[in-house]
Amino acid sequence: QVQLVQSGAEVKKPGASVKVSCKASGYTFTSYGISWVRQAPGQGLEWMGWISAYNGNTNYAQKLQGRVTMTTDTSTSTAYMELRSLRSDDTAVYYCAREVGQLGSEWFDPWGQGTLVTVSS
Amino acid sequence: SYVLTQPPSVSVAPGKTARITCGGNNIGSKSVHWYQQKPGQAPVLVIYYDSDRPSGIPERFSGSNSGNTATLTISRVEAGDEADYYCQVWDSSSDHQGVFGGGTKLTVL
Repeated sequence: QVQLVQSGAEVKKPGASVKVSCKASGYTFTSYGISWVRQAPGQGLEWMGWISAYNGNTNYAQKLQGRVTMTTDTSTSTAYMELRSLRSDDTAVYYCAREVGQLGSEWFDPWGQGTLVTVSS
Repeated sequence: SYVLTQPPSVSVAPGKTARITCGGNNIGSKSVHWYQQKPGQAPVLVIYYDSDRPSGIPERFSGSNSGNTATLTISRVEAGDEADYYCQVWDSSSDHQGVFGGGTKLTVL
């Protein structure tokens, strides 16, 4: 079955960087894009950006431009999301999700289990 | 940027029908997708392309989209439907940015 498995929880100090991985299985990795979505404690979902697993093209949320980098390793079917210059308000659960559907109208299915990133001094 | 507006909460008795709205400027011209999220779990897709149901999602879940409002309808509500629900679209006017509604907490009385 299609599955996305993420790396474990992280605790980081303000100003540091974090890199979260998302390993895909059960489908042809390069045929779909991956989006990253985060959820601060008790809050809603926030789209962070997208990467094409086919050619590495990216599109980031405007508020995160310059702090986020998304990459893929097609040899291991793994996507990565790196967030730099961490602040306390970056504390959140970070999800990866496969993008499905017609270009410009994609939905997210399935989602990874989530990775809690805590930013604290 | 494009904004999606959902009511923070909706309450319904078991066996009744719940309707969760998602408002946006001319949202009827966009494709709307809906997700269910239970506490401590990742979101799950329940409706895509306004009204299509993924395999494994009960027929009790349906969707519609017209004008400035999209609606997720849950018929014959069960206790297990209690969750947060989010709508999602793409904002093509802003370099193709993903947009989520603020979420609606469905409470089964």
